[in-house]
Amino acid sequence: DAKTTQPPSMDCAEGRAANLPCNHSTISGNEYVYWYRQIHSQGPQYIIHGLKNNETNEMASLIITEDRKSSTLILPHATLRDTAVYYCTIGKMNRDDKIIFGKGTRLHILP
Amino acid sequence: SQTIHQWPATLVQPVGSPLSLECTVEGTSNPNLYWYRQAAGRGLQLLFYSVGIGQISSEVPQNLSASRPQDRQFILSSKKLLLSDSGFYLCAWKKPGHGYTFGSGTRLTVV
Repeated sequence: DAKTTQPPSMDCAEGRAANLPCNHSTISGNEYVYWYRQIHSQGPQYIIHGLKNNETNEMASLIITEDRKSSTLILPHATLRDTAVYYCTIGKMNRDDKIIFGKGTRLHILP
Repeated sequence: SQTIHQWPATLVQPVGSPLSLECTVEGTSNPNLYWYRQAAGRGLQLLFYSVGIGQISSEVPQNLSASRPQDRQFILSSKKLLLSDSGFYLCAWKKPGHGYTFGSGTRLTVV
């Protein structure tokens, strides 16, 4: 079973920040939080990952709470092309890691 | 640079026919490789993963099998397809220090 919980769907106005929450209350000390997104009919795309510090890259920012039991993916200026299913997963960096995906959040960007 | 290739992109096969889907990775060595399936309107289900040549772990008992004959080649097979085998099949590899990179997928329709 997936170790994360996400809302099934969210709406966001184009140009606004999209904040996608994720709960991972059973995360262990050596597990990272990963975010992916899947645009319709394509393979999932890696977005960002983090351990305990907040992270930012060209796609998004990741905010992880101090207790690491939840996180938020932030798309700072959402565009219509950000409409996708967003998956929050947890996993380890070692070679034996395998990620189990949950159902994700379907994000609709509204014009 | 590392790339992952999957083919074919789409496939229509009759019930009872065999299946062979191929995935290859370029630009890396000894990758962890994964097969996922996504049924229509459903989430991503991990089917098999491999940490090396000839090493296959099955996550879900089913009508499918996997093989890894070469370091950067991962094959998904079936001797006799069922209607329930229809879906979107995705191959992925794990990039060290990064997330998973997925292929473009094969959309299989069993008729």
